[in-house]
Amino acid sequence: DAGVTQSPTHLIKTRGQHVTLRCSPISGHKSVSWYQQVLGQGPQFIFQYYEKEERGRGNFPDRFSARQFPNYSSELNVNALLLGDSALYLCASRFGQGEGYGYTFGSGTRLTVV
Amino acid sequence: GQNIDQPTEMTATEGAIVQINCTYQTSGFNGLFWYQQHAGEAPTFLSYNVLDGLEEKGRFSSFLSRSKGYSYLLLKELQMKDSASYLCAVRADLGNTDKLIFGTGTRLQVFP
Repeated sequence: DAGVTQSPTHLIKTRGQHVTLRCSPISGHKSVSWYQQVLGQGPQFIFQYYEKEERGRGNFPDRFSARQFPNYSSELNVNALLLGDSALYLCASRFGQGEGYGYTFGSGTRLTVV
Repeated sequence: GQNIDQPTEMTATEGAIVQINCTYQTSGFNGLFWYQQHAGEAPTFLSYNVLDGLEEKGRFSSFLSRSKGYSYLLLKELQMKDSASYLCAVRADLGNTDKLIFGTGTRLQVFP
């Protein structure tokens, strides 16, 4: 059974550009969360989606947006890229909401903004 | 506010035992996770505590005291491959949101 898959694995963008990152959760998992991990830091929560609805948003500017599709896959979009957006972007999937469900992380997308 | 503290770096010798501490102050606490992360890779699950006490899993054990806001991860019989960052993360249930709040991670270096 496939784990959480993210694409692309790496990409380089220029300041001011837009980027779309994709995540496919484990089959049957309905919750997808996005995290940003800057080098040397722990992951920071960006968004959580459950059953295609946004359930939470972290302390990130409106340049960051996301959505979840009927098949539970998800996209993270970042507009007007800044150098500080360079990070590893991680997607985590869970079967459900609430206690008792573990989080499985994808391998991440390494975004470099130049 | 939400705050999780863990040491930035630790070193240990192959075959030894190391304890990585984590203290937290969070609202909506609903469990504590430990993850291992090798450089440039995804975090991988090590342990989960929601009740006070010790959870043992092979060479790894994790302890939780909710009243003290304290957890530790114990690694026994250290191997070179245990050199990695160890992330302490609290699961916070805040209204409709279900999220993990991470510490900065503890980078462990194991020497021969």
